[in-house]
Amino acid sequence: KAGVTQTPRYLIKTRGQQVTLSCSPISGHRSVSWYQQTPGQGLQFLFEYFSETQRNKGNFPGRFSGRQFSNSRSEMNVSTLELGDSALYLCASREQPQGDFNSPLHFGNGTRLTVT
Amino acid sequence: KNEVEQSPQNLTAQEEEFITINCSYSVGISALHWLQQHPGGGIVSLFMLSSGKKKHGRLIATINIQEKHSSLHITASHPRDSAVYICAAQNTGNQFYFGTGTSLTVIP
Repeated sequence: KAGVTQTPRYLIKTRGQQVTLSCSPISGHRSVSWYQQTPGQGLQFLFEYFSETQRNKGNFPGRFSGRQFSNSRSEMNVSTLELGDSALYLCASREQPQGDFNSPLHFGNGTRLTVT
Repeated sequence: KNEVEQSPQNLTAQEEEFITINCSYSVGISALHWLQQHPGGGIVSLFMLSSGKKKHGRLIATINIQEKHSSLHITASHPRDSAVYICAAQNTGNQFYFGTGTSLTVIP
């Protein structure tokens, strides 16, 4: 099976712009979660989607949003970009058969966003 | 206050040494994950556990639910084990809290 695919790999944006990142999960995986990784804060949980519904959310401002499509692909959007949004954004998918919330995470290689 | 604390932050070991990385958490969990991140960013899930002990090859993970503590052990360490190891607590609401990571360097 193909792994988790994130596009694009690198992105440079200007303050105030918005950005959309894409994540294609492993075939058959219904859960997609998003994470931000910075040198100062480390890894932080953004949100998780399951069957097109946001199931839970981390402590990030409303500028960070996401959605999941019927084929389980997910997008994350950040509006009104700030310098502090520069980070590696990772997504992960999980199989979660029959609503079992405990299954291993499979990570993509991430999108490195630079805000100037 | 960090919900997940890892120690040590940095670790240098000689090849073949036995290594232990510790993780303490303060949230109620449904699972505890150990992750490995190599330079370049890719993250691999090593273990997911909610009780007891798991073993994959030279890697062993243990968890003590009462003490809210988990350990990752690497037996007979090898230079290819050099990476950052991250502990993540999945709480009962399915949110994730991450440790700051342990940077391991294994010297030949």
